Amino acid sequence: QKEVEQDPGPLSVPEGAIVSLNCTYSNSAFQYFMWYRQYSRKGPELLMYTYSSGNKEDGRFTAQVDKSSKYISLFIRDSQPSDSATYLCAMTKMDSSYKLIFGSGTRLLVRP
Amino acid sequence: DVKVTQSSRYLVKRTGEKVFLECVQDMDHENMFWYRQDPGLGLRLIYFSYDVKMKEKGDIPEGYSVSREKKERFSLILESASTNQTSMYLCASSPTGGESGTQYFGPGTRLLVL
Repeated sequence: QKEVEQDPGPLSVPEGAIVSLNCTYSNSAFQYFMWYRQYSRKGPELLMYTYSSGNKEDGRFTAQVDKSSKYISLFIRDSQPSDSATYLCAMTKMDSSYKLIFGSGTRLLVRP
Repeated sequence: DVKVTQSSRYLVKRTGEKVFLECVQDMDHENMFWYRQDPGLGLRLIYFSYDVKMKEKGDIPEGYSVSREKKERFSLILESASTNQTSMYLCASSPTGGESGTQYFGPGTRLLVL
């Protein structure tokens, strides 16, 4: 079993829809949670960063962490065609290794 | 803005060749990483370095080596390229402290080994 599970999609939604992307994980030691966005043929770029449980909002994006359920989510409001990309969740423990564990990514397509 | 650059966007090499992939970051980050990304497998860590001349094996180091002679530069070496090393290679860097674990990625190098 992988440490981090993420549905690969693709997820296809109409423009303006609310998108929900999710990851589950098995290791309760994870404390830092990130979402990266990767456009085709480009490197991942950091989108959201959250420490421990709770919500964090940045514009149209909201990251949510539920440590009791070992479940993290990224919500995109008013989705745009420019949001079409692969979204990768990533997480790490509270130690000095700085090693990230990534989900395999969910491909999102926002139709105009 | 953090800038991580990789020496090539696309590379085509022959089986058995020695391949060098270069990565440079301009933000004085202590930590640097090399990943490969394959469909369905996500990002897998090959090697990382937390200081000049220091390196640690990641999850899939076989067939690869690394070099970090200067803080800003981290090189990945394929000693004898094989077809199963055809992949997208991503370099990343992160600071020690700050937002723990946050890594900044380069644009990637697509390597094709024939």
